Amino acid sequence: DGGITQSPKYLFRKEGQNVTLSCEQNLNHDAMYWYRQDPGQGLRLIYYSQIVNDFQKGDIAEGYSVSREKKESFPLTVTSAQKNPTAFYLCASSTGIAYSPLHFGNGTRLTVT
Amino acid sequence: AQKITQTQPGMFVQEKEAVTLDCTYDTSDPSYGLFWYKQPSSGEMIFLIYQGSYDQQNATEGRYSLNFQKARKSANLVISASQLGDSAMYFCAMREVPYSGGGADGLTFGKGTHLIIQP
Repeated sequence: DGGITQSPKYLFRKEGQNVTLSCEQNLNHDAMYWYRQDPGQGLRLIYYSQIVNDFQKGDIAEGYSVSREKKESFPLTVTSAQKNPTAFYLCASSTGIAYSPLHFGNGTRLTVT
Repeated sequence: AQKITQTQPGMFVQEKEAVTLDCTYDTSDPSYGLFWYKQPSSGEMIFLIYQGSYDQQNATEGRYSLNFQKARKSANLVISASQLGDSAMYFCAMREVPYSGGGADGLTFGKGTHLIIQP
């Protein structure tokens, strides 16, 4: 079955460490996205990529970095510069057509202490 | 200013009743799309229904329908005959499509409504 795989489901890190969240899709979608969700909040866009080797900042890109070396993969690195990294992170993909919905992975819950 | 406003942080509804979840949006683009997602406690985001700004009819998908009132910039989700499994967070989202086209920009989400269906 086609879908989006995020790993791991739970991640724990010490403050000051960089951490990379994995996102893989086998839907053959061109566009991929990273969102952050905090308790009681909606989703906020961190980065998105419309095509391989290209990506754009979203609304809250500071302290994060991404790469898109392969169509099916879009890893997110949470750097030590991110002031409040503890959150639920959701990866998504779409065909890139204007009215196509986003398909989401199951998310990674990151806790930094 | 918020682009998507969901004014109901939480709702309690009796099983089998119909539910209306409110969503208002703000855009100056004539071309845009509106989406509703369901997020159960497990965390995954499930796409429910879509409405385009130029669509003449309200969208429907099974028990879900979208009450689209363009002049009021309102896109309320209606769930008919609610079930216990409908208990979840519900998010309204929008994608604006500028004249230059494109479509891979992300969606802008509201803060959500926590719906609880009571037996």
